[in-house]
This record gives sequence, C-alpha cells and structure tokens, in this order.
Amino acid sequence: KAGVTQTPRYLIKTRGQQVTLSCSPISGHRSVSWYQQTPGQGLQFLFEYFSETQRNKGNFPGRFSGRQFSNSRSEMNVSTLELGDSALYLCASSPGTSNSEQFFGPGTRLTVL
Amino acid sequence: AQTVTQSQPEMSVQEAETVTLSCTYDTSESDYYLFWYKQPPSRQMILVIRQEAYKQQNATENRFSVNFQKAAKSFSLKISDSQLGDAAMYFCAYRSAGRGGSEKLVFGKGTKLTVNP
Repeated sequence: KAGVTQTPRYLIKTRGQQVTLSCSPISGHRSVSWYQQTPGQGLQFLFEYFSETQRNKGNFPGRFSGRQFSNSRSEMNVSTLELGDSALYLCASSPGTSNSEQFFGPGTRLTVL
Repeated sequence: AQTVTQSQPEMSVQEAETVTLSCTYDTSESDYYLFWYKQPPSRQMILVIRQEAYKQQNATENRFSVNFQKAAKSFSLKISDSQLGDAAMYFCAYRSAGRGGSEKLVFGKGTKLTVNP
C-alpha cells in the first residue's frame, strides 16, 4: 500500500506570492492533518480535515487555508507569503476512526525569499 | 491548552547501550493518548510507540518501552540495545481522546539522539 505522498517536495517562492501544497493520503484514509515544522517553533498544528470537513484548526493567521476533496486528497494554501513561512510542511493521514494511527508524509520544504 | 516539554535537546548513547528520553506534559484532561515519534534525517516521521492514558501498563515495542507516570504527567522513552539506525530526532506528542474525534497532536520540541559506534 502506498504511503502518504506530498507534492511538491521542494518549493522556492518570494514574499507576497501564494503557494499551494498537496497531500495524498493512504488509500482508504479519510482524515488528513497538516503541521508546520520550523527550527524555532517546532511542530505546530495547522488544521485537520475529515470527510471534506475541517474538524480542527490551529492558531495560524487567515493566510493559511486548506481543503479536502471527495477522494480525501488535501491541499493547503498560503497567501501573501512572508519570510517566516519558510518551513517544512508535513501532512499526516489516518483512517479517522477513534484510536487510529497517523502516518506522516515526507513533507514539502518551502523557502520564502 | 495542553503543552508537552522535552527538557533534553540532545542526547547521545553508545551502540548497544540503553538511553532514556524524558517528556513531561500538562493537561487537565483525564483521557488522552501519548506518543513517541522518530524523525530520521530523511525527514519521514514514524510512530515509535503509543500509550493510552487509561492503561496503567507501560507500552512496549521490541527495544522501545515507556515509563508512563500519569500522576506526575511524565512519559519517558527507553531505548535498549541502541543501534546506529536509532539516530534521529525524537518527538513526544499528546492527543486528546475526546474533542469530537480530532486527531490533533501537540508536540514537544524534540530530542536529537546520536548513537556512537
């Protein structure tokens, strides 16, 4: 069974631009969560989707948004990029049932210049 | 809000020896899950071990075991017979058991483990 895939793996953008990151969960998984990882702040929860509905949201500005499609694939969008948005963005998928394990993707490394 | 603290930014261990990584957490909830995740230099985060708060018995997975002290809000990871492949960042994480089924994880800052040959 294929694991969680994230595209692109690396991305370079400039301040003010917007970016869309994609996450394809493991087949059959209905829950997708997104995390931002930086050296200073560590791993921070962005948002979580289950069956196309946002189930939880972290403390990030409105520039960060996401969505989930009917095939459970998820995208996150960051508008008006800032230098501080440079980070590794990880997504994790799970079946979404209680006590289920989350599986992480390899991440997308975003660099904002 | 829940918080997770890992007080050891870096640890090192000799191959074949035992090492313990510390984690404390703060919560007012009674039902939750605790996890240890490993993130090798390749960056793929993988689950090492998990513990349900309602279970008194400490979880064990092969060479990995935990010491879960619920009253003290402590959740340490012991790695026995350390191997070179154990070198990685280790993250302690907390997840509420309620909250409408949300799977949000709260992570500690991580401990970088070096294994010396």
